[in-house]
This record gives sequence, C-alpha cells and structure tokens, in this order.
Amino acid sequence: GENVEQHPSTLSVQEGDSAVIKCTYSDSASNYFPWYKQELGKGPQLIIDIRSNVGEKKDQRIAVTLNKTAKHFSLHITETQPEDSAVYFCAARSNSGYALNFGKGTSLLVTP
Amino acid sequence: GAGVSQSPSNKVTEKGKDVELRCDPISGHTALYWYRQSLGQGLEFLIYFQGNSAPDKSGLPSDRFSAERTGGSVSTLTIQRTQQEDSAVYLCASSVEGSGADTQYFGPGTRLTVL
Repeated sequence: GENVEQHPSTLSVQEGDSAVIKCTYSDSASNYFPWYKQELGKGPQLIIDIRSNVGEKKDQRIAVTLNKTAKHFSLHITETQPEDSAVYFCAARSNSGYALNFGKGTSLLVTP
Repeated sequence: GAGVSQSPSNKVTEKGKDVELRCDPISGHTALYWYRQSLGQGLEFLIYFQGNSAPDKSGLPSDRFSAERTGGSVSTLTIQRTQQEDSAVYLCASSVEGSGADTQYFGPGTRLTVL
C-alpha cells in the first residue's frame, strides 16, 4: 500500500520567515495530494491541494510543489504569522483507492 | 453551510464496554470516511462508504470494529469490547462523490478514552 513520509516532525520559525514541509510517497499511481492544517482540539482543515497533472499551485502565502518523478511534494508558507502555528499533514491518494494516506504530521510553531 | 458533525465530542468508557460514535456528513455528500488518529500519529484510514455500501473496509483493525450508514447520511462506528489501545480520536470525513481528487471535509472528531 501507499506509504507517505513527512519531514520534519517539528519546525520552529520566527514570524515573517518561510516554512517548508516535505513529503514523499511510494505509490506511483497516486494522483491527488492535499495538505491539511489541524489546530488543537479540532479536525483537520484542507488548506491546499494539488493534482498530478500540475507541478505547482499557489494560494496567497501558501504554495505546494509536486515532483512526480521523484515522488515528493512540498508545502511552502511564506511570511509566517503566529496563527499559522498548528500541525500540518500531507496526504496522498491513489487513483485506484478511496482513502487518503497521511504523513505523521509536522508541528509548526511561529514565534513572534 | 453546516459542516461534518460528530457526537459525542468526548467519550470515556471502561475496558470491555461497547461504544457507538456518530457522524453526520455534509448534506448531499455521498461518500463518507472514518479515520483514527492516535496520539502523535497521522490519520489511519478505517472504512469508506459510498451511499449505504462500504466498498472498502480494509482499515478496520479487528472484528470488534464495525460501521454502518443509513439513508445515505448518518454513520455509526461501533467498537465492541473496547480495549485500552482503542483510545484515540476518531475522525469522520465526507466528500461529494468519493472519486478522483474529491476533497474530504473532516469533522471535529470524537476523543475516545478507554480506562
């Protein structure tokens, strides 16, 4: 089955700096890669996603890049703010499956 | 509009007891998913519903776990004879149709503690 690895497990940045979280996946049939943000006591919330026919997608301060050859994708957050502090999860979904396969999460702390 | 709702938000039970967790998906969403999140871990897939049918039950960890969905809407996850290792946050998600790159929207979860 699909195996998604996520790094780093924790990340601390100063307000205004950029943050990058990286994920790799094993199933070459995966074609959908969402990123979720989870705040304490809440369910995961989708922040951005990318399909396999696109190499990069940007939404204001958030961008995701996908390298299908290398089977890795990354989340980039620019001009970080304290409210960006949360746990971020990457996921991958195969075109033959229904479930999302999640990485173990990155705890991001943005300090003022 | 209303998102995915789950009840109860917290459940404390004794080892050996049965528990039922409820999920109300977004209205009109035909696909429904259950995941489990253990402390410090990512989300682990349990089961997928398309309408009232469950074409993928591959993530259910044992025969103590079962789920059903009625009327193409509400779903119940039942855990029989609970064990301490069942303690986790159980998350429900729904999506429009469950195909391709369909966005999954998550509920707030039910935190289950087995004493």
